[in-house]
Amino acid sequence: EDQVTQSPEALRLQEGESSSLNCSYTVSGLRGLFWYRQDPGKGPEFLFTLYSAGEEKEKERLKATLTKKESFLHITAPKPEDSATYLCAGIGGYQKVTFGTGTKLQVIP
Amino acid sequence: KAGVTQTPRYLIKTRGQQVTLSCSPISGHRSVSWYQQTPGQGLQFLFEYFSETQRNKGNFPGRFSGRQFSNSRSEMNVSTLELGDSALYLCASGTGMGNTIYFGEGSWLTVV
Repeated sequence: EDQVTQSPEALRLQEGESSSLNCSYTVSGLRGLFWYRQDPGKGPEFLFTLYSAGEEKEKERLKATLTKKESFLHITAPKPEDSATYLCAGIGGYQKVTFGTGTKLQVIP
Repeated sequence: KAGVTQTPRYLIKTRGQQVTLSCSPISGHRSVSWYQQTPGQGLQFLFEYFSETQRNKGNFPGRFSGRQFSNSRSEMNVSTLELGDSALYLCASGTGMGNTIYFGEGSWLTVV
C-alpha cells in the first residue's frame, strides 16, 4: 500500500528562521511528487511537482527537492504570511494520489 | 482560465438524509478526483473519474458514490448520512496523465 509520511507535524519558526519540511514516501511506480499549501477553510493550493530524483524547483522563499525516498521543502527566511499547512502527495499509476497528513507551519513575527 | 468550481460551498444535513455535491473541472481536464478531509484523518481519497469511467476507488463504504458526465463535470453522492460524514469534501481536476492536480475550494458538509 502506498504511504506518504510528513514530519514534523507542526513547526513554529521565528520570522527569518530558515528550516525544512520532510516528506518520506513509498509509492508504487511514482510518477510525480506534489507539494501544496493549504490555508484554513480553503482548498490546497498547488506549489510544485517533482518528477525525478535530483530535481529541484523554487518559488519565492520555497525550494522543493526530491530523492528516491524523500522530498524536502526548504523555507528560507520565512515571513508570517508563509504560515499554513503544507501537504505532500505522491502520484502512482492512473492518477491515484496519496497524501501525507501535512506539516502545520507557524511563522511568528 | 477558470479554476475548479465546487458547489455548494456550505451545507447542513440531518442524519439519514442524502447529499449531492458538484464539481466543474478546469477546462480541458478529463480527470476528476474526490477527497474527504477531516482534522483527524487528513485528506482521504474517495474516487477518481476519467472520461466518465471510475478508474480508482478509495476505502469508503458504498454510501459514497460518484459519476462523471460527458462534459467532465462530476458529482458525488452520500446516502444515509452519518455524523462522521461531516467534513470538507474536495474535488481536484487534472489531465489524467499523471500530471499535477488542482483543487477547488471544497464543500463543507455538516451532518447534525
